[in-house]
Amino acid sequence: KAGVTQTPRYLIKTRGQQVTLSCSPISGHRSVSWYQQTPGQGLQFLFEYFSETQRNKGNFPGRFSGRQFSNSRSEMNVSTLELGDSALYLCASSLRGTGNTIYFGEGSWLTVV
Amino acid sequence: AQKITQTQPGMFVQEKEAVTLDCTYDTSDQSYGLFWYKQPSSGEMIFLIYQGSYDEQNATEGRYSLNFQKARKSANLVISASQLGDSAMYFCAMIPRGRDDKIIFGKGTRLHILP
Repeated sequence: KAGVTQTPRYLIKTRGQQVTLSCSPISGHRSVSWYQQTPGQGLQFLFEYFSETQRNKGNFPGRFSGRQFSNSRSEMNVSTLELGDSALYLCASSLRGTGNTIYFGEGSWLTVV
Repeated sequence: AQKITQTQPGMFVQEKEAVTLDCTYDTSDQSYGLFWYKQPSSGEMIFLIYQGSYDEQNATEGRYSLNFQKARKSANLVISASQLGDSAMYFCAMIPRGRDDKIIFGKGTRLHILP
């Protein structure tokens, strides 16, 4: 079955712009979580959605937001981009979250210039 | 506080040799899951193996096995007969079971397989 699909794979944005990243989970998975990965900070949890509700949130400013749709697809948005937002953004899905195996997508490489 | 420690930032191993990647964890939870992921340069995080805290047997998946020592809070990944394609970053991760808590990752180990 198809894995986790993220779009776009690569993008370049300018400081101050906003960006929306999309994630389609594995069919039947209801939990979607997002992570930011940078060389300096490693993998950091952004937020998790389950059945369209944000269930958990990491320590990121309010510029980072997300949502989940009724078909479990999810989007994350970053507003007023800063140079430090340049990172690999990974989406992951699991059946129910909470201890289930999490499967990741290929990630979206964001460069802010 | 929950924490994952991977003490080996990088490792060089000869092809066909076995390799052990270290992972220790800290948690006060009794029920939790431990995971290993592989991340090639393409960026995708590939799930390798899972061990539940109450599992009595060490998990195995093909060439991957998890050496789980609960008393030591250790969950080392063993790759048998390493291949060139095993060159990647490897992350150990943990998530409490039964609680709405987030997964935490170690900082990773960069594995280089030498021909």
